[in-house]
Amino acid sequence: AQSVTQLDSQVPVFEEAPVELRCNYSSSVSVYLFWYVQYPNQGLQLLLKYLSGSTLVESINGFEAEFNKSQTSFHLRKPSVHISDTAEYFCAVSGLRGANNLFFGTGTRLTVIP
Amino acid sequence: SQTIHQWPATLVQPVGSPLSLECTVEGTSNPNLYWYRQAAGRGLQLLFYSVGIGQISSEVPQNLSASRPQDRQFILSSKKLLLSDSGFYLCAWSRGGGYNEQFFGPGTRLTVL
Repeated sequence: AQSVTQLDSQVPVFEEAPVELRCNYSSSVSVYLFWYVQYPNQGLQLLLKYLSGSTLVESINGFEAEFNKSQTSFHLRKPSVHISDTAEYFCAVSGLRGANNLFFGTGTRLTVIP
Repeated sequence: SQTIHQWPATLVQPVGSPLSLECTVEGTSNPNLYWYRQAAGRGLQLLFYSVGIGQISSEVPQNLSASRPQDRQFILSSKKLLLSDSGFYLCAWSRGGGYNEQFFGPGTRLTVL
């Protein structure tokens, strides 16, 4: 069975500072990994995903995540955060049943401090 | 392009009243459809998913039910709401295959009083 752990429920960081949001997963089979972002009172938006190939994936707004199979991790990083990055971030791993169910972590609230 | 709609956006209902939340998808055919609940300070809990008309799988036992009367319509219902049903309900769709991401609707904020 798949599961996802996001150890940090809240991460405060100053504007223009780097940030890392941690995600670890457990699975006995190959996985697909996703990061979603949720702004207040909105649905989730896909930030980036790892399917195969290069273990470093990037989003259009400066975030990147690296798939580390040996450490079963998929941490999200940004070298310099902006106020607009304040949101809830969810890591997810795909299941292998026919409906491609996603298993979500409990989320990390990133707060960027001016 | 594909879009997903949910309504209503917010809803306040008394305990014991019925519930009907609707989700529709445009711009794609035969999508997989999902209902999630997000309680305050918690992650997403998958409630139901559907791979086709009339095909519903339930992930957790509860007093909620789901139906898919049309290819791109997914409805979440309850005959009698409980206080614990309060939360943020999200509908999502995806194409088949585990490598495909899910696309989420704007959500419905349900408060049961």
